[in-house]
Amino acid sequence: KAGVTQTPRYLIKTRGQQVTLSCSPISGHRSVSWYQQTPGQGLQFLFEYFSETQRNKGNFPGRFSGRQFSNSRSEMNVSTLELGDSALYLCASSLDPPGTGASNEQFFGPGTRLTVL
Amino acid sequence: AQKITQTQPGMFVQEKEAVTLDCTYDTSDPSYGLFWYKQPSSGEMIFLIYQGSYDQQNATEGRYSLNFQKARKSANLVISASQLGDSAMYFCAMRELTGTASKLTFGTGTRLQVTL
Repeated sequence: KAGVTQTPRYLIKTRGQQVTLSCSPISGHRSVSWYQQTPGQGLQFLFEYFSETQRNKGNFPGRFSGRQFSNSRSEMNVSTLELGDSALYLCASSLDPPGTGASNEQFFGPGTRLTVL
Repeated sequence: AQKITQTQPGMFVQEKEAVTLDCTYDTSDPSYGLFWYKQPSSGEMIFLIYQGSYDQQNATEGRYSLNFQKARKSANLVISASQLGDSAMYFCAMRELTGTASKLTFGTGTRLQVTL
């Protein structure tokens, strides 16, 4: 069974540009979550999608948005990039609704490393 | 609000020795799950072990075990017989299970270095 895939793996942009990152969850998983990881702030939750609907959102500005398609693939978009947006963006997929034991686990992709110059 | 605290920024352990990585948590939800993830330099988060708040026994997965002390709100990870490949960042995380949101809250991580 294929794992979570994220594209692209690396991205370099300049301030003011916008960027779109893609995530394909594990087959059969319907929930996709996004996290931002930076040295200063650590791992922070961005948002979660299930059945094409945003269910949960972290404390990030409106420049960060996302969506989920009918095949559960998800994209996140960051507009008007700032230097502080440089980070590793991780996508995670999980079964939903939550089960018991390890079925609550979120499986992570390899991440997209975004550098903003 | 849920919170995870990892007080050890870095740890060293000799190969073949056991090591304990500390994690304490705070939540008002009576139903929650605790996770440990390993993050090598490549960046991918690798699931190691899970403990549910209502589980009676401590979780074990191969060389990994979770020392769950509910009254103290601690969920320490024990790695037995450390290997060089265990060198990585280790994150403790929690998910509140009431409702259907999948949000994980992470600690700041512990960098483990295994030496010869």
